[in-house]
Amino acid sequence: GQQVMQIPQYQHVQEGEDFTTYCNSSTTLSNIQWYKQRPGGHPVFLIQLVKSGEVKKQKRLTFQFGEAKKNSSLHITATQTTDVGTYFCAGTNTGTASKLTFGTGTRLQVTL
Amino acid sequence: NAGVTQTPKFQVLKTGQSMTLQCAQDMNHNSMYWYRQDPGMGLRLIYYSASEGTTDKGEVPNGYNVSRLNKREFSLRLESAAPSQTSVYFCAARSVNEQFFGPGTRLTVL
Repeated sequence: GQQVMQIPQYQHVQEGEDFTTYCNSSTTLSNIQWYKQRPGGHPVFLIQLVKSGEVKKQKRLTFQFGEAKKNSSLHITATQTTDVGTYFCAGTNTGTASKLTFGTGTRLQVTL
Repeated sequence: NAGVTQTPKFQVLKTGQSMTLQCAQDMNHNSMYWYRQDPGMGLRLIYYSASEGTTDKGEVPNGYNVSRLNKREFSLRLESAAPSQTSVYFCAARSVNEQFFGPGTRLTVL
C-alpha cells in the first residue's frame, strides 16, 4: 500500500532559526495536504497543494509540491515558540479521493 | 457551531470489554473518518464513510466496526478490546479541501 514518510522525526531549534520538514510518498499523489498538531491537541489543516511544482506561502511558512508529485516540503522561516507542534503531510492518490494517507510527522520544538 | 465532537474524552477498559466511541459533526459534510494515533506512527485510517449509508475499511480495520447512523453521526465500536488498541482516536469530517478533526478520545486497554 501507499506509504508516506517524513524526515526528520524530531527537530529542536532555537527561536529565530529556520526549520524544514520533508515528505516523501511511495506513489504519485493527486494532491497533498499539511496539518499541524499542537501538543495534546488535534490536527488542524494548514494548506493543500494540487499542481506539480506548486509553491504556496502563508506568512513565514512556505509549502512546496514536487515536480513528480511524490514529495513535498514545509519550510518555516525564523521560527517562533508558537510554531511548536507536530507537522504532518497527508496525500491523496488518484482514484481514492476520499482517503488521506498521513505521513509519520515531524515534531518541532522551539526554545528561546 | 461545534464542528466535530467526540465522546468520551478518556476511557479505560479491561481486556475483552466492549465500547462505542461516538462522533458527531454539525458541518453537513458527506465524508467522515476514524483514525488512531500512536507515538511515532502518525495517524492511521481505521474506517471511513464517503457518504451516509456507506462505510469502507481503511489501513487498520481489524478489531473495529463502524456505523454511519445518519449524516451527522459516525460511531466506532470495539467489540472485544485488546491492549494493542490503546491509542488516541480521532474522528474527522471532510469538506472539499480539508479534514476537520474532533478533540480525540484517549483510550487505555489494560
